Amino acid sequence: GAVVSQHPSWVICKSGTSVKIECRSLDFQATTMFWYRQFPKQSLMLMATSNEGSKATYEQGVEKDKFLINHASLTLSTLTVTSAHPEDSSFYICSARTGPNYGYTFGSGTRLTVV
Amino acid sequence: GQQVMQIPQYQHVQEGEDFTTYCNSSTTLSNIQWYKQRPGGHPVFLIQLVKSGEVKKQKRLTFQFGEAKKNSSLHITATQTTDVGTYFCAGDSGGSNYKLTFGKGTLLTVNP
Repeated sequence: GAVVSQHPSWVICKSGTSVKIECRSLDFQATTMFWYRQFPKQSLMLMATSNEGSKATYEQGVEKDKFLINHASLTLSTLTVTSAHPEDSSFYICSARTGPNYGYTFGSGTRLTVV
Repeated sequence: GQQVMQIPQYQHVQEGEDFTTYCNSSTTLSNIQWYKQRPGGHPVFLIQLVKSGEVKKQKRLTFQFGEAKKNSSLHITATQTTDVGTYFCAGDSGGSNYKLTFGKGTLLTVNP
């Protein structure tokens, strides 16, 4: 089945630094990837839709300058949390879909802790 | 915008009891999907329902899509400890961007 590889699985960084999270579709091409944020025991909140070769589409309330998304190839999308602060600590997950008749495949997620 | 409501938020059962979680969308859906997330893990796709009134089964799991394509349910018969996790429904309103709206999820715990 389809596999989405997400790295790193966890990261601890200092306030003010930037963190890059990568998502790769390993055995399929993903023109669109989705980035979610999940707080403990809560649902997935869609942050943005990453589109290969074009600008990402951000959901209302998500700062595009804070969460930089790049989708430079059909198999790689990156999310960079810039100037991270403790309130950015969360579980970030990406997902992609192989086609309209298939479910979404999620990456394993990245647990970000900002200290 | 589109909203997907899911109840209950939590459900604790004894092993062997049945379990049901319900989803209701504020708008008509193109399809609805169900995911399971184990504690500490990531969501894993279970099934997609597309047709009005559709019913699909996976072993002890039964998924239904309402006639109006606005509600759905997941029923687990004779729960086992391996069923523990959070079950999310996710509505797809259609369109070329494949965007999903997730319900808040139902956390199922099973007492052995």
